[in-house]
Amino acid sequence: EAGVAQSPRYKIIEKRQSVAFWCNPISGHATLYWYQQILGQGPKLLIQFQNNGVVDDSQLPKDRFSAERLKGVDSTLKIQPAKLEDSAVYLCASSRDRYSGNTIYFGEGSWLTVV
Amino acid sequence: AQSVTQLDSQVPVFEEAPVELRCNYSSSVSVYLFWYVQYPNQGLQLLLKYLSGSTLVESINGFEAEFNKSQTSFHLRKPSVHISDTAEYFCAVSDTSGGYQKVTFGIGTKLQVIP
Repeated sequence: EAGVAQSPRYKIIEKRQSVAFWCNPISGHATLYWYQQILGQGPKLLIQFQNNGVVDDSQLPKDRFSAERLKGVDSTLKIQPAKLEDSAVYLCASSRDRYSGNTIYFGEGSWLTVV
Repeated sequence: AQSVTQLDSQVPVFEEAPVELRCNYSSSVSVYLFWYVQYPNQGLQLLLKYLSGSTLVESINGFEAEFNKSQTSFHLRKPSVHISDTAEYFCAVSDTSGGYQKVTFGIGTKLQVIP
């Protein structure tokens, strides 16, 4: 079974530029998550999708971050314009469904450095 | 609201010695508890989880954790560590408020096994 795929793995951009990250979850997984992990901190949920609908985006900085999951499969997270404090690892993850107790499967992450 | 506290950011231990990684949580509702592990240059992966039943849960590689409701703890233990256990370990809590899984992660504990 293929795992969660993410790209690009590494990205360096200047502040005020834009960047997009792509994620393909495990086949058949209805729930998709985007987490932000800043160095020295645990993953923080940015947005959670159930199929192609958003169930939680309460911690997504909506003035600069956007995400979509068209057709309920793969997803894109965009940052525009980027700030220095956006430097982090962006983790995509998926689970079979939205119910509590489900194992969350993570991709290897996309490392973003904003200079 | 729920939260997770991992009391130790780094734990050095000699090979074949026992180790305990501490985790305490706070939640106003019933919870499920998880330990995820992140090996160098890899994504997070589930180590073990407590959903119900026996309060002692085990992983396939010798780790165990015990759910203690009165102390709101879920400490991770291994009687004898190996070099290959060097990784970062994240405790996480999940509840069912809002009808979907909402997982909160701790800041992580880096386990360094010394030869």
